[in-house]
Amino acid sequence: GESVGLHLPTLSVQEGDNSIINCAYSNSASDYFIWYKQESGKGPQFIIDIRSNMDKRQGQRVTVLLNKTVKHLSLQIAATQPGDSAVYFCAENNNAGNMLTFGGGTRLMVKP
Amino acid sequence: EPEVTQTPSHQVTQMGQEVILRCVPISNHLYFYWYRQILGQKVEFLVSFYNNEISEKSEIFDDQFSVERPDGSNFTLKIRSTKLEDSAMYFCASQRGQDDTQYFGPGTRLTVL
Repeated sequence: GESVGLHLPTLSVQEGDNSIINCAYSNSASDYFIWYKQESGKGPQFIIDIRSNMDKRQGQRVTVLLNKTVKHLSLQIAATQPGDSAVYFCAENNNAGNMLTFGGGTRLMVKP
Repeated sequence: EPEVTQTPSHQVTQMGQEVILRCVPISNHLYFYWYRQILGQKVEFLVSFYNNEISEKSEIFDDQFSVERPDGSNFTLKIRSTKLEDSAMYFCASQRGQDDTQYFGPGTRLTVL
């Protein structure tokens, strides 16, 4: 069986609905933020990124919002599909180096 | 589309043995990374590598760990004497330039018995 690890928050949505996944970051010096999607048994897959000089960035079906005042990042997925089911991680970089610091992740489950 | 590749996909080893995990970064990328993810936990940074030397390393990356870019294509992570707690998924990532996206490989699952 699986070993005990972090309990992932889970977001369950109906196919076709919009999803919002949230992330709080702690380092006010961070100036680059990325959302990654991780499917079971695979590596993190880049979705979208945003730099600290922006508060919103849009991609295909995805939007990232950055609120530096409260150190909050969100990922919005429009018209969520079953293929969007995965664990979503936010990551931050403070540009003092290139290491990414990952958040704890949110599991998105899409019900058909 | 170019991808980061990693071999093997799964490595099983006995405690105390040496392992080498291999990665082929995307060909025009200059920055290379190793991260690990213990089952059910966050992805954690281990080390970054640029211009044939380590740029940063975390507390996890102690003297049992080493990295090497032995030729123009491979990037390896060696664990000299594995411990049970080294069991994890190990991800390689590469990045073209300092301000570019890091792209991750599919990972190697290391199981230490």
